[in-house]
Amino acid sequence: TQLLEQSPQFLSIQEGENLTVYCNSSSVFSSLQWYRQEPGEGPVLLVTVVTGGEVKKLKRLTFQFGDARKDSSLHITAAQPGDTGLYLCAGAPGNDYKLSFGAGTTVTVRA
Amino acid sequence: DAGVIQSPRHEVTEMGQEVTLRCKPISGHNSLFWYRQTMMRGLELLIYFNNNVPIDDSGMPEDRFSAKMPNASFSTLKIQPSEPRDSAVYFCASSSQGALNSPLHFGNGTRLTVT
Repeated sequence: TQLLEQSPQFLSIQEGENLTVYCNSSSVFSSLQWYRQEPGEGPVLLVTVVTGGEVKKLKRLTFQFGDARKDSSLHITAAQPGDTGLYLCAGAPGNDYKLSFGAGTTVTVRA
Repeated sequence: DAGVIQSPRHEVTEMGQEVTLRCKPISGHNSLFWYRQTMMRGLELLIYFNNNVPIDDSGMPEDRFSAKMPNASFSTLKIQPSEPRDSAVYFCASSSQGALNSPLHFGNGTRLTVT
C-alpha cells in the first residue's frame, strides 16, 4: 500500500484544457512536494507546500495543501504540450527524512 | 552547476554478473540518496547518506545490494550477483540539508536491464 495515493493514474487532454491531479494520504505531513519527471530524466522539484490550506502558484500551475495536511492537489490551467510528463507528489510523515513518493500521474497534453 | 551526474546511463548485463552504478552529487550537498524506479513500485528509497555516512539502508532489498560513499563527491551502488528482477531505473539524488528542508536534485538515472 502506497503512503501517498495519486489519482488519476493517467490523464490525456487537449491543449488549452484544464486538469487537476490529486495526492491523498491518511497520514499528516509537515510538507508535501510536487515533482515533474520527463522521459529519460530524473524528477525535478516544482514546489513545496508547508502550511495547511496553503495555495501556491507557478505560472499556470496551482498547488494546494489540504487544511489537515493530509492531501494536496495540482491544477493546470490551459495546459500546453510542454506540460506533458509524470507528476509525482512526495512527503515524509512527521519530521522524517524518508521522502516517500506517490505512484505518479502521467499527463499527456495533445496539440 | 553540472547537476547530479550518474553513470552509466544504460547498463545491460546477464544474470549473475556484478553491476556498479556511479554517482557524483552536486558540490556542497551533504545528503545523498539512492532511489529505484519501476512501473510496479514507483520510486523507492534504497539508502540515505549524510556527510558520507550511511544513515538508513533499510530500503536496500537484500544482501546482494551494497552502497558506498568514500568521499563527498562520489558514491557507488553495487549489485552482486544481479538478477532479472533488479531491472529498473536507479536514481541518485542529493540535497544540501536532507529531503525535507531542501529540494532533492536528481540525476538522469541509470537504466539497468538484467537478462
